[in-house]
Amino acid sequence: AQKITQTQPGMFVQEKEAVTLDCTYDTSDQSYGLFWYKQPSSGEMIFLIYQGSYDEQNATEGRYSLNFQKARKSANLVISASQLGDSAMYFCAMRFETSGSRLTFGEGTQLTVNP
Amino acid sequence: EPEVTQTPSHQVTQMGQEVILRCVPISNHLYFYWYRQILGQKVEFLVSFYNNEISEKSEIFDDQFSVERPDGSNFTLKIRSTKLEDSAMYFCASSEWDTPNYGYTFGSGTRLTVV
Repeated sequence: AQKITQTQPGMFVQEKEAVTLDCTYDTSDQSYGLFWYKQPSSGEMIFLIYQGSYDEQNATEGRYSLNFQKARKSANLVISASQLGDSAMYFCAMRFETSGSRLTFGEGTQLTVNP
Repeated sequence: EPEVTQTPSHQVTQMGQEVILRCVPISNHLYFYWYRQILGQKVEFLVSFYNNEISEKSEIFDDQFSVERPDGSNFTLKIRSTKLEDSAMYFCASSEWDTPNYGYTFGSGTRLTVV
């Protein structure tokens, strides 16, 4: 069965520093997509970054980058130069080849950026 | 940038009442989804919809739930007889393709409170 694990319920980081949010997964599928979403306190779900299982290079999107280690089945999100507005819940999510069209979400990590 | 629009943003209803949550997906998208997030918990898949029929549903999506695309733009989720445990944030999402390497665009959610 496919499973996603985010082991950090809460993380704290100083403004302007980098932070890594962990995500590990378990699947026997060869084809899958990895996504990170940000959910601020207002509740909306904001897409941040995507990594395909066959992509050889790590995805980057502005201050967001994805540290994809396929053999370890991990897809950690790195936020560089943290800003106060980065304080939010962050979800790792995946689409699996054998799970139809559904996204499976991790439990989330609550990130707090301190001034 | 195209967006998925959900209305209302917040709805309070009496237990046992019917509610209809409305969504306007992105116009050229063909695949539509509903997810829910109970407060403090992870996001859960409810149903996917394509070509005017349900393509996949989760165990949460029982006979109390139904979806409809009544016209060319709206996509609705109906809960026939609400229960206290239906209180949650409900997200609509849409996507252009249905492959593992393609993500969704989420709406900003409807917060449903059943009293």
